[in-house]
Amino acid sequence: QITLKESGPTLVRPTQTLTLTCTFSGFSLSTSVVGVGWIRQPPGKALEWLAVVSWNDDKTYRPSLRNRLTISKDTSKNQVVLTMTNMDPVDTATYYCARRRHWGSGNYNWFDPWGQGILVTVSS
Amino acid sequence: DIQMTQSPSSLSASVGDRISITCRASQNIITYLNWYQQQPGKAPRLLIYAASNLQDGVPSRFSGSASGTDFTLTISSLQPEDFATYYCQQTFSSHVTFGQGTKLEIK
Repeated sequence: QITLKESGPTLVRPTQTLTLTCTFSGFSLSTSVVGVGWIRQPPGKALEWLAVVSWNDDKTYRPSLRNRLTISKDTSKNQVVLTMTNMDPVDTATYYCARRRHWGSGNYNWFDPWGQGILVTVSS
Repeated sequence: DIQMTQSPSSLSASVGDRISITCRASQNIITYLNWYQQQPGKAPRLLIYAASNLQDGVPSRFSGSASGTDFTLTISSLQPEDFATYYCQQTFSSHVTFGQGTKLEIK
């Protein structure tokens, strides 16, 4: 059974740096078809992809947030960490991590399963 | 970025109805398109991958199809547990994007 769980602060002050950890089990990030991504969802709004790290440490970021995001993996601990600098109230959202699975050739990939999410509120 | 536009944004239907939700891509994305279901207060769940492939464990009343840049999610006979929000996602670009969501409500 594959599970993922997000952990980190639920309240962050404006301008602070957010650090979230995704701890997973049931798969390894050293497997070639696997990655872990972060997706967020502001209250009542749509899903927004943030970043993904692949098994080979290849990292991709949302262009509009590229200068604020850092994603890293610790394969031995089965963890992926996302940091987001200079937090603002508009960054208030539920943050999800999810396993990314590749299939076949090309860009066939999807997020499955997802963690339960963590609601992060940015407020002074 | 590739824009994904879902229609309708919301939909009211009854148990047993057949419904379809459309997702239009702003450019050709081949069949790099996934569908997710999100129940209120829950994490999204993968339903369909690569436009038309049913994820393991997903009921066969769900199906997906593609025509050019238009993608359709169809539920053949709505069940009470299907009332949720549905999102499409493109992976043609490494900068993946989601649609704005379609909320399916009980009539």
